[in-house]
Formats: sequence, C-alpha cells, structure tokens
Amino acid sequence: AQSVAQPEDQVNVAEGNPLTVKCTYSVSGNPYLFWYVQYPNRGLQFLLKYITGDNLVKGSYGFEAEFNKSQTSFHLKKPSALVSDSALYFCAVRDSNTGTASKLTFGTGTRLQVTL
Amino acid sequence: DGGITQSPKYLFRKEGQNVTLSCEQNLNHDAMYWYRQDPGQGLRLIYYSQIVNDFQKGDIAEGYSVSREKKESFPLTVTSAQKNPTAFYLCASSRLDRVQAGELFFGEGSRLTVL
Repeated sequence: AQSVAQPEDQVNVAEGNPLTVKCTYSVSGNPYLFWYVQYPNRGLQFLLKYITGDNLVKGSYGFEAEFNKSQTSFHLKKPSALVSDSALYFCAVRDSNTGTASKLTFGTGTRLQVTL
Repeated sequence: DGGITQSPKYLFRKEGQNVTLSCEQNLNHDAMYWYRQDPGQGLRLIYYSQIVNDFQKGDIAEGYSVSREKKESFPLTVTSAQKNPTAFYLCASSRLDRVQAGELFFGEGSRLTVL
C-alpha cells in the first residue's frame, strides 16, 4: 500500500522569508511524487512533479521540491514567500509500477499562511 | 482555452433526493476522475474512467454512480444511499501514459449541501 504524510496542518511564514512544506511517502516501488495547490473554493492546480533524474525539481510560481530517497521525503520549498502563496498544499504519490493516476494517493493537506 | 468545467458550483439537496454533478473536459484526455474533499481528510477517489463506456470504483464509491457515454463527459450522481453527501466534489482528468498519468487537471469543484 502507498501512503503520504503531511505532518503539519498549518505553516506560518512571514513574507520574504523562505518556506518549507513537508511531505513524506511510502510506496513499494519507485515513487512518482507531485505537489498541488488549492486556493479557497477552487480546484487543485498542479505545481510540480518528480519522476526521475535530478533530485531538485523546479515548478510553477517559483516553487521547488527536493526528493530525498533515504528519508522518503519530498518537501516543497520557496526561497522567498509571498502573501499570494497562502493556500492549501497537497502532496501526492504514485508507485511507478502502477499504470494510471487512479493509484494517486493524496496527503491531507497543509495550509500555508504568509503574513506581511 | 482547454479545461474542465464543473456545474453547478453550489447545490443544495433535500434528504432522499438524487443529484447529478456535471463534468465536461475539452483537453482530449482519456482518463477522468471524481474526488470527494472533506476538511482534514484530503482527497478521496470515488470513481474513475479510462475509456468510454467503462469505469471503476475508487475508495469510496458506495452511494454514488457515474456514466461515461462520451469521452468529454463524466457526470456523477449522488444518490439517496450516500449517508453523508455534504462535501466538496472535484472532477479531474489526465492523460494515460505512465509518466503523465499523475498530472491531473482539476475543475473548480461543486459544493453539495444536504439540508
């Protein structure tokens, strides 16, 4: 079985400071990892993904994520937070051995609050 | 512009009524999905379809039904058998190849409230 954990329900950061949203995963095979963002009363938007290759993945809106196989983590980062980054962030995982997104497992989400 | 359209955005239902949520996509994606979102529980998969006239149950299919008569359309019916239907419902689509399959495109969601 595959699973995702987002240990923090909420992360608070001041604008201009770096931010990190944590994610750890468990799969039996190699992971495909994803980050999505959700603004209030909206659908989710894809931010970035790790499939293979470089452990540092760059995505939309200046976000990046670092894949760490030994720690089974895929933390989302941004060097300088903006108030407009305030949203709900979801990590998701899929085992590379499965063929479709039906096997995508989402975490419970982390609310990011960026203040002035 | 290509995308996914869900309607209605807000819906109120009385106990014992069935309601149908619409989902249409013009991305030419083969796969379509319905998720339910509840506070603190993330997204849970209700049904998914990879091809017209075929669909599979997800993790929480009881009390729901779907159809896939056209590639572009994947409506979800919330039946009276669903015990706790008040939730935010999200439709999504994706390509089917192994690498792209996890990159989902979501609609704006439909919020269902049972009175």
